[in-house]
Amino acid sequence: SAVISQKPSRDICQRGTSLTIQCQVDSQVTMMFWYRQQPGQSLTLIATANQGSEATYESGFVIDKFPISRPNLTFSTLTVSNMSPEDSSIYLCSVGLAAGPYEQYFGPGTRLTVT
Amino acid sequence: AQTVTQSQPEMSVQEAETVTLSCTYDTSESDYYLFWYKQPPSRQMILVIRQEAYKQQNATENRFSVNFQKAAKSFSLKISDSQLGDAAMYFCAYTTATGANSKLTFGKGITLSVRP
Repeated sequence: SAVISQKPSRDICQRGTSLTIQCQVDSQVTMMFWYRQQPGQSLTLIATANQGSEATYESGFVIDKFPISRPNLTFSTLTVSNMSPEDSSIYLCSVGLAAGPYEQYFGPGTRLTVT
Repeated sequence: AQTVTQSQPEMSVQEAETVTLSCTYDTSESDYYLFWYKQPPSRQMILVIRQEAYKQQNATENRFSVNFQKAAKSFSLKISDSQLGDAAMYFCAYTTATGANSKLTFGKGITLSVRP
């Protein structure tokens, strides 16, 4: 397993601004994932971040809106840019195991409210 | 495309009783993995149990067990001797066995409440 921390745990931001969320893992991992979870809903994958290469975005998510950095094997950031109230959600990062059964371990999440 | 369906949005169980949460999935793959995750109000996603599709034996973790029916593409979670701490949202998830970049596909989740 892996221990994952996220900063900040929550934030209230004004529309039009940007917020960068940090994800730190206690061990080196190949893949990190970023999810969005709207209140009471399931998780939606935003992008997959591999160290040393560009993140791979899912349909409906673009790099200009959600830029991701992955500078090393234990750290990643997700920026939510030019925020609107529709971006109010929980943002979670996770890491995947390199071998079967390919489960993922999650950070505690960042609750973002945009006013 | 793979899909995961959790058709029951909410369930309730009496403390110390047993409850079963349902999940079905659709895939054309023969090798894959299935998971149940728990998300309490703290938001922390916790892995409850995992099942490898190539294993016929149902996975068990203490009070949690699964009923994996591969032909029917069904993967239900049974919680025995329910405790107040089991109250949470439960997500069924699926991934193909293609490496560490295997994406998880989640169901919509089910909210479980436990009555004292």
